[in-house]
Amino acid sequence: EAGVAQSPRYKIIEKRQSVAFWCNPISGHATLYWYQQILGQGPKLLIQFQNNGVVDDSQLPKDRFSAERLKGVDSTLKIQPAKLEDSAVYLCASLGDGHNEQFFGPGTRLTVL
Amino acid sequence: AQSVTQLGSHVSVSEGALVLLRCNYSSSVPPYLFWYVQYPNQGLQLLLKYTSAATLVKGINGFEAEFKKSETSFHLTKPSAHMSDAAEYFCAVTPSGSARQLTFGSGTQLTVLP
Repeated sequence: EAGVAQSPRYKIIEKRQSVAFWCNPISGHATLYWYQQILGQGPKLLIQFQNNGVVDDSQLPKDRFSAERLKGVDSTLKIQPAKLEDSAVYLCASLGDGHNEQFFGPGTRLTVL
Repeated sequence: AQSVTQLGSHVSVSEGALVLLRCNYSSSVPPYLFWYVQYPNQGLQLLLKYTSAATLVKGINGFEAEFKKSETSFHLTKPSAHMSDAAEYFCAVTPSGSARQLTFGSGTQLTVLP
């Protein structure tokens, strides 16, 4: 079974630029998560999707962050415009119905200069 | 509401020594508890999970953890450290029933000394 795929793995941008990250969850997993992991901290949930609907986006900075999962499969997370404090690893995870374990992708490491 | 506290952001042990990584949780409902490991430039990999069955849980790579409700703890142990165990370890909690709402601790960086 293929795992959670993310791209790109690394991205370096300047502040005020835009950036997008892509995630393809494990096939058949209805729930998809985006986490932000700042260096030295644990992952923090940004947004949770159930199929193509948003379940929880209470911690998403909506003035600059957006995410979509239009067909209920893969998802895109966008930052526009980026700030220095957005430098972090962005992790995608998925959860299958009836399972009790989230599966994580390798992450995208974003550096904002 | 739920939270996790990992005592010790950095732990160093000698190769062959006991590994003990501490995790205390707070949860208003019965919890599920998880330990994840993260190697450099990689995502999170599940080590083990407590889901209301046996309180002593065995995981991969020789790790185990014991759920102690009275102490609200879920400490991770391994009898003998190996160089390959050097990584960052995260404890996480979620309300029992599913893994839908994970809350992570701040992590413990484990260094294994030769």
